[in-house]
Amino acid sequence: QQPVQSPQAVILREGEDAVINCSSSKALYSVHWYRQKHGEAPVFLMILLKGGEQKGHDKISASFNEKKQQSSLYLTASQLSYSGTYFCGTERMAGTASKLTFGTGTRLQVTL
Amino acid sequence: DGGITQSPKYLFRKEGQNVTLSCEQNLNHDAMYWYRQDPGQGLRLIYYSQIVNDFQKGDIAEGYSVSREKKESFPLTVTSAQKNPTAFYLCASSPGQDPGANVLTFGAGSRLTVL
Repeated sequence: QQPVQSPQAVILREGEDAVINCSSSKALYSVHWYRQKHGEAPVFLMILLKGGEQKGHDKISASFNEKKQQSSLYLTASQLSYSGTYFCGTERMAGTASKLTFGTGTRLQVTL
Repeated sequence: DGGITQSPKYLFRKEGQNVTLSCEQNLNHDAMYWYRQDPGQGLRLIYYSQIVNDFQKGDIAEGYSVSREKKESFPLTVTSAQKNPTAFYLCASSPGQDPGANVLTFGAGSRLTVL
């Protein structure tokens, strides 16, 4: 079952902040975040394991609320290079292996 | 540099024809995956393989087939049974499939158009 991402799209001016949310109805082991620029392959940003830790990557950080099965990606002081589509991938156990299911994506556009 | 090579980048096919998309990785990763990307639907898993000579169906395997004869290679065949094959196909790999360790590296993708 696909996780739900919100918003579907957002337009920012350079320097503004944004939050992208990802929620699942299933118990999760971890949440992945990827960014895909137009016409390119998705690129891994970060992974959050269950335990509620928050991670950071330059001015992009994320949190994972295990109780609510929700993750949020925070982009602060956005730059033009942040433009792209952001996907969350939720990881659940499927038998002895894990399964990663992606959301439908959030399209982010940063303008001058 | 290590990475994933997908070919061809663009492919046109007539209805009723099978086509095979190539995926090669030199990352020494055990696990490989095929995803399909359609506008507004995100990435949907077609097939995945954890080890050589073994693979499992993903969420949308109907009309597709794969093989994993070598660790480095995971070709995808889109058969004539796939009713709506026009899409962007992404191959990915990860070191393994242990929980929390399956960070994906993606190839640049293959865009298939059925005429």
